[in-house]
Amino acid sequence: GEDVEQSLFLSVREGDSSVINCTYTDSSSTYLYWYKQEPGAGLQLLTYIFSNMDMKQDQRLTVLLNKKDKHLSLRIADTQTGDSAIYFCAVTTSGQNFVFGPGTRLSVLP
Amino acid sequence: DTAVSQTPKYLVTQMGNDKSIKCEQNLGHDTMYWYKQDSKKFLKIMFSYNNKELIINETVPNRFSPKSPDKAHLNLHINSLELGDSAVYFCASSQALAYEQYFGPGTRLTVT
Repeated sequence: GEDVEQSLFLSVREGDSSVINCTYTDSSSTYLYWYKQEPGAGLQLLTYIFSNMDMKQDQRLTVLLNKKDKHLSLRIADTQTGDSAIYFCAVTTSGQNFVFGPGTRLSVLP
Repeated sequence: DTAVSQTPKYLVTQMGNDKSIKCEQNLGHDTMYWYKQDSKKFLKIMFSYNNKELIINETVPNRFSPKSPDKAHLNLHINSLELGDSAVYFCASSQALAYEQYFGPGTRLTVT
């Protein structure tokens, strides 16, 4: 079955860019999502990309997809303390359940 | 106008008890889910319920049973609670399988 991996921790300075990486194993994955979880809260959908796209930009967020390497990344520009959270990558194919990565805990240092 | 709501937010109970967690979505979605998040924040899907078809994660003990009285509700009933059931349980919904999922705020279950 699908396996999704992420680094567990990332620390950046306020104002720097953050890059959170995700790798997956199923080359037929067609829908790829990023979710944010703040302490004590549920998961909030941030953005998503379809497998026929290489890049998607949404304000401070940029998603890059390398299908050949099965690698997805989320770049957060001008990272703020409010961006401190756990970021989950999730991948799926049509008609299938999501497979979530283990989450990357982003710490933003002042 | 909460999209996905869960009750209760916190649940503390003793081993061996039976408890239920309720979930409601007002998004008109056809698919609902239950996830378990452990202390390391790993998310594991337990069930998905799509157009009255239940898809069960085979690793979920049969002490856990989802019940869907209608399309907007998917409740989770747990029998004979064990210490290892302590976790945060999230309900989610989506338009269909593979579509973006919207999560509830979670129910923190503590079994003593």
